[in-house]
Amino acid sequence: AQSVTQLGSHVSVSEGALVLLRCNYSSSVPPYLFWYVQYPNQGLQLLLKYTSAATLVKGINGFEAEFKKSETSFHLTKPSAHMSDAAEYFCAVTALSGSARQLTFGSGTQLTVLP
Amino acid sequence: EAQVTQNPRYLITVTGKKLTVTCSQNMNHEYMSWYRQDPGLGLRQIYYSMNVEVTDKGDVPEGYKVSRKEKRNFPLILESPSPNQTSLYFCASRNPTGRAIEQYFGPGTRLTVT
Repeated sequence: AQSVTQLGSHVSVSEGALVLLRCNYSSSVPPYLFWYVQYPNQGLQLLLKYTSAATLVKGINGFEAEFKKSETSFHLTKPSAHMSDAAEYFCAVTALSGSARQLTFGSGTQLTVLP
Repeated sequence: EAQVTQNPRYLITVTGKKLTVTCSQNMNHEYMSWYRQDPGLGLRQIYYSMNVEVTDKGDVPEGYKVSRKEKRNFPLILESPSPNQTSLYFCASRNPTGRAIEQYFGPGTRLTVT
């Protein structure tokens, strides 16, 4: 079984400030982890993924995330927020083993960027 | 262009009137899946398909049917829609093996059942 918990359904930051979106996972087998972004009225776009290689993963638009096994976390960060980063962000986990590899999503975090 | 397409994008219907939401991908992916997105609940998987003629239930399959007669298409069928099926629906596909296992999502279908 696997699950994802995103702490904070809404996060507000000022433009230029650090963005930190929290994600903790639970998985009985080694996980793959993902961050997706959803802009208003659009589908989901992959930001970055962890696939058991480097623990610090860099993605698109200046985002990065660090896999910490001891903390079962995969928090998303960006050093300086832009207005265009306002969107909903989803953390997701899938298991490395098993043919189905079901993708389980967190409940999402709505990021607001204040001018 | 590699993509997942869904039709229609918006649909308003009445309780009990059968409907189908189509999904098609042009990436030759074997794995396809349907999700519904509801506020505060994230995305929940409805059904998935590992290959042609192979489908299985996800976390919230009640009230839905799917079929996979061709590799590229994976329609979602609501035989008798109810208001609690009002939601935003996403189709997704991916390669089932290898490290490139991220899912590619369609643009979504917003369904309202009155």
